[in-house]
Amino acid sequence: SQQGEEDPQALSIQEGENATMNCSYKTSINNLQWYRQNSGRGLVHLILIRSNEREKHSGRLRVTLDTSKKSSSLLITASRAADTASYFCAPLKGNEKLTFGTGTRLTIIP
Amino acid sequence: EADIYQTPRYLVIGTGKKITLECSQTMGHDKMYWYQQDPGMELHLIHYSYGVNSTEKGDLSSESTVSRIRTEHFPLTLESARPSHTSQYLCASSEGLGHTYGYTFGSGTRLTVV
Repeated sequence: SQQGEEDPQALSIQEGENATMNCSYKTSINNLQWYRQNSGRGLVHLILIRSNEREKHSGRLRVTLDTSKKSSSLLITASRAADTASYFCAPLKGNEKLTFGTGTRLTIIP
Repeated sequence: EADIYQTPRYLVIGTGKKITLECSQTMGHDKMYWYQQDPGMELHLIHYSYGVNSTEKGDLSSESTVSRIRTEHFPLTLESARPSHTSQYLCASSEGLGHTYGYTFGSGTRLTVV
């Protein structure tokens, strides 16, 4: 299984601003998933984008996927204090199991 | 929000004790997983199961063992706890394989061995 590499490692923004975090991976995939982890808790599945999709939306979340560059981005619009968390990407191919990197730690400043 | 339950939420235990971390899900998922995560670090898959009486070791070697006697239950056991086992343990389940479905995680058990 391959794991994604999230960038930046940490990000602090003012409440109301947009937050963008990126994910790179090494080999071809069937889909890529994004998860959120609040401090000390389990992960929450946010969105799954398939390799034949370029963009997907869910509420204030927008995910893009560029398979030619082997990269994905997660945009959170109009950020809120509750968005403070770590965000992980998980690229997947075939019957692989999810593996996770160290994530992006997002802090929303009130 | 989760339909997967882990108990206890926190556990402090002495070296040499036997412990079992509980994980139960009410979704009827065949696939279940255990991950280990140190603060600020990656999650590492330590065990998984694709159904009753089926268990496999994950990517990270672990001294823990698991069992899957019922679909809904996937406990993790440490026969003799050591300080090096101090970590957060996360249980997850999925309806199908990861390339089609996302995982549902429990809230985790934070284990401290003193």
